[in-house]
Amino acid sequence: SQTIHQWPATLVQPVGSPLSLECTVEGTSNPNLYWYRQAAGRGLQLLFYSVGIGQISSEVPQNLSASRPQDRQFILSSKKLLLSDSGFYLCAWSNGISGNTIYFGEGSWLTVV
Amino acid sequence: AQSVTQPDIHITVSEGASLELRCNYSYGATPYLFWYVQSPGQGLQLLLKYFSGDTLVQGIKGFEAEFKRSQSSFNLRKPSVHWSDAAEYFCAVGTQTDSWGKLQFGAGTQVVVTP
Repeated sequence: SQTIHQWPATLVQPVGSPLSLECTVEGTSNPNLYWYRQAAGRGLQLLFYSVGIGQISSEVPQNLSASRPQDRQFILSSKKLLLSDSGFYLCAWSNGISGNTIYFGEGSWLTVV
Repeated sequence: AQSVTQPDIHITVSEGASLELRCNYSYGATPYLFWYVQSPGQGLQLLLKYFSGDTLVQGIKGFEAEFKRSQSSFNLRKPSVHWSDAAEYFCAVGTQTDSWGKLQFGAGTQVVVTP
């Protein structure tokens, strides 16, 4: 069966520091991969999605970037965090061939102080 | 513009009572509809989905949802709630014209279950 893992689960970082959140998917190949952000009291916002290695699409302009160095690895990064980057970040995947449902990881809490 | 609306931000229900969560959408293309549940501090779990066919969809944990095209709605229901159903529920919509994962989410409905 397919599983998705993301880490770290919780992160407290000072303003101006770098960020790296990592996500991996097991049990499938060539998945579509996504990063969503959930700000407190708000819905989910799609940040990035990727349909293949090295292929990244950004949905909103921001202080963050994403990379996909391997087929089942998706990384969310920032060179200098802002207070407004605080939130709950969710990695997700879907079957890249037949589309269908997307499945979420357990999320990473980021607090920028 | 495409949109997903969950009119109820917060719902309180007694254990054993029925629950209905509303979801309305505005999309130009044929929608694909999902309901997810999120427990505090956790990721989202898929409850059910509608792509085509029977408009009454059964999901996990005793939930069901009905797609009503004429009303642009996809309401979630459960006949008898359990304390473990306390969580936040998100409706999401995608279309054939979008990559499958480019779902648009509603703002969520927080469900509180009282004894």
